[in-house]
Amino acid sequence: EIVLTQSPGTLSLSPGERATLSCRASQSVSSNSLTWYQQKPGQAPRLLIYAASSRATGIPDRFSGSGSGTDFTLTISGLEPEDFAVYYCQQYDNSPPQYTFGQGTNLEIK
Amino acid sequence: QVQLVQSGAEVKKPGASVKVSCKASGYIFTTYFVHWVRQAPGQGLEYMGIINPSDDRTSYAQRFQGRVTMTRDTSTSTVYMELSGLRSEDTAVYYCAREAPATFHFDFWGQGTLVTVSS
Repeated sequence: EIVLTQSPGTLSLSPGERATLSCRASQSVSSNSLTWYQQKPGQAPRLLIYAASSRATGIPDRFSGSGSGTDFTLTISGLEPEDFAVYYCQQYDNSPPQYTFGQGTNLEIK
Repeated sequence: QVQLVQSGAEVKKPGASVKVSCKASGYIFTTYFVHWVRQAPGQGLEYMGIINPSDDRTSYAQRFQGRVTMTRDTSTSTVYMELSGLRSEDTAVYYCAREAPATFHFDFWGQGTLVTVSS
């Protein structure tokens, strides 16, 4: 089973700053199956980035995804107040077929 | 617009079963997979399994096999997730989410259903 490890666990930044969130896989992951979600308290997760680097519909261009193999990054350039939330990466593995999530990065206001 | 509307909160005793529903609207029900994901209080997301509403095929995460059953009713565009043998560790918010086949991401999520297991 592929394990996703996100770092840091908590990231404290100020509005306007740049956030860099990491997701590292225990084995190589297909870029097509690497996804990022945002979750705010009391809400369901929201799709941000799919296929490692494609923004979902309606997601501002300050959100970008990159990476391949075992190392993936979510970058938020110019943090807005509404960006402070928990971010999860997710991947699909077909042997056996299942999805796994990272443990999350809590992006908090400094 | 696309909506996944889940049933309301449940309180169950240990050993009981719970059945959560997820009613889809705003798209053709049989053209998207539906997944279930849960989140214990203050914890991360945990994947449970998938159902293909088109052919009723399912696949469950290994740790839930034998305890979870996912079904669908095409006449009402509703997917169900039943979890049996409940224990306190099953207390969580349960989400349904849809996936366009073979895209590997969940583009719409239900609002979540809190299941509390307590004696």
